[in-house]
Amino acid sequence: QVHLVESGGGVVQPGRSLRLSCAASGFTFKNYGMHWVRQAPGKGLVWVASLSYDGRKKYYADSVKGRITISRDNSDNTMFLQMNSLRIDDTALYYCARGLQGVRVTSFDIWGQGTQVTVSS
Amino acid sequence: QSVLTQPPSASGTPGQRVTIPCSGSTSNIGRNSVSWYHQLPGTAPKLLFYSDDQRPSGVPDRFSASKSGTSASLAISGLQSEDEGEYYCASWDDSLNGAVFGGGTQLTVL
Repeated sequence: QVHLVESGGGVVQPGRSLRLSCAASGFTFKNYGMHWVRQAPGKGLVWVASLSYDGRKKYYADSVKGRITISRDNSDNTMFLQMNSLRIDDTALYYCARGLQGVRVTSFDIWGQGTQVTVSS
Repeated sequence: QSVLTQPPSASGTPGQRVTIPCSGSTSNIGRNSVSWYHQLPGTAPKLLFYSDDQRPSGVPDRFSASKSGTSASLAISGLQSEDEGEYYCASWDDSLNGAVFGGGTQLTVL
């Protein structure tokens, strides 16, 4: 079974940091581009960041650029999202997703269940 | 304000055909492929179409998708109650150098 499981979310104060993880299983992780997508309560899907299969190409939404770093460990089948200088408007459910066709294509075929990040004072 | 524009809501009765449009620009839909997602409350999105009109296995052929110029559309025929939920279009935007989603369309089966 192909699975993605996110973890690392929680409640943090503005300005603090969090590191999200996405553990993959059931497929050859190193062959796929990976992505993070978030969804604020009652709102739509918003793309956050994307990472190529080998970790060399990284893409970020303007709203998170300079504060967030996407990375992966192909030896451990895990992707990460290091989130610094968190803001109230970063509050959302964060999904990781597999890219069916690479990194600059929005064919996200496998999704995790999401991990909740709440930024509040 | 989403880069891709979708109507906030759509509706139809069981058995009807419904179409959901998605409007973009030359930097996204005009030059990159479109994908579509279906999301039920409290669950992760599910890929319905990729590469404009390619249906993953398991998606019923009642669903179809197309693209023309800078617009795309999703059509659902033989509408069923289980088709309710939120539908999103998405594409890569070369100017933003990132993925963009539509704001979502809430489909109600009356």
